[in-house]
Amino acid sequence: SQTIHQWPATLVQPVGSPLSLECTVEGTSNPNLYWYRQAAGRGLQLLFYSVGIGQISSEVPQNLSASRPQDRQFILSSKKLLLSDSGFYLCAWSALLGLGNTIYFGEGSWLTVV
Amino acid sequence: TQLLEQSPQFLSIQEGENLTVYCNSSSVFSSLQWYRQEPGEGPVLLVTVVTGGEVKKLKRLTFQFGDARKDSSLHITAAQPGDTGLYLCAGFPAAGNKLTFGGGTRVLVKP
Repeated sequence: SQTIHQWPATLVQPVGSPLSLECTVEGTSNPNLYWYRQAAGRGLQLLFYSVGIGQISSEVPQNLSASRPQDRQFILSSKKLLLSDSGFYLCAWSALLGLGNTIYFGEGSWLTVV
Repeated sequence: TQLLEQSPQFLSIQEGENLTVYCNSSSVFSSLQWYRQEPGEGPVLLVTVVTGGEVKKLKRLTFQFGDARKDSSLHITAAQPGDTGLYLCAGFPAAGNKLTFGGGTRVLVKP
């Protein structure tokens, strides 16, 4: 069966420090990978998605970047964090399907920038 | 303006009552999904609807996809405190592979 795991689960970082959140998927090949950010108690905003190694699409201009160095690895990074980068970050994957495509989420990572 | 509009944003009911959450759009979606999310955790998929007019039941939860594939509803019968959570609808637009989320509906079921 497929699993998705992201870490760290919680992170407290000072303003201006770098960030690296990592996500890995097991049990599938060539998945679509996603990074979402969620405001407290609200819907999810898509930040980045990737359809293959080295292929990254950015949805919103921001202080963050994403990379996919391996087929099942997706990394969210920042060189210098801002206070506004605080939030709940979710990694997700979906198989390459057409209609009825299903997306599965990781456990989430709480980032607090102080 | 969000592509998917959920209503209401918040719902508080007593145990045993029924509730309905709506997810509406002016765009056509190839599929719509419903998730429930607990605080501090990732959303968990409840159901995917694909065919216009489709109705799916999951115990006390009934999901419906509109005939035109632009809207969906979630109905919970005889709600229980365990149904408390954030309910999110999400869909793949007819053109594209990016899942779009609604703003979420927070449901509180009081014992």
